[in-house]
Amino acid sequence: GAVVSQHPSWVICKSGTSVKIECRSLDFQATTMFWYRQFPKQSLMLMATSNEGSKATYEQGVEKDKFLINHASLTLSTLTVTSAHPEDSSFYICSARDGLAGALEQFFGPGTRLTVL
Amino acid sequence: EDQVTQSPEALRLQEGESSSLNCSYTVSGLRGLFWYRQDPGKGPEFLFTLYSAGEEKEKERLKATLTKKESFLHITAPKPEDSATYLCAVRGGAQKLVFGQGTRLTINP
Repeated sequence: GAVVSQHPSWVICKSGTSVKIECRSLDFQATTMFWYRQFPKQSLMLMATSNEGSKATYEQGVEKDKFLINHASLTLSTLTVTSAHPEDSSFYICSARDGLAGALEQFFGPGTRLTVL
Repeated sequence: EDQVTQSPEALRLQEGESSSLNCSYTVSGLRGLFWYRQDPGKGPEFLFTLYSAGEEKEKERLKATLTKKESFLHITAPKPEDSATYLCAVRGGAQKLVFGQGTRLTINP
């Protein structure tokens, strides 16, 4: 149980285009989802927290107009990187928590490698 | 501010050589301490949750323990497949986890 998927697993795009990444909880209801960014050999950097049906809460320094997060259902959250630039190239990972069950654990997806040319 | 510090940053062991990884933390109102394993190019894999001092959990060659200031991840007779980065995280009153920088563990055959 507690499986989280992400799609795509990798994407290459041109500078100025937008990219959407999907995060799905496959066998539980994710009341809360989180989006992280990870640079090589560094730990996870939280970008935003989203509760189903509510607007996402962004961490300080994260541009909410650039990184659009939607959490419209209990099994799906999306991250859209708008007008991507090379500095947005990174490894993006989502996680999900089953708040209905009172669980504290976050379960992570496999990650999406974004390369902006 | 909640903080997590992991040590050592990197650790190389021979197969079968047991050791421990440390996670020191400061948090306002600990609700849980979590251990994850992360392989290169993949998302973290959940290992353990510890809720209160004195608690211990085991899974195969791994055993996690918790005190009021730190947690240890003990690895007994490790195998090369245990090589990975091990991440420690805490949750206080906020929804989010605060992660340490991780310990990169390499087990040589």
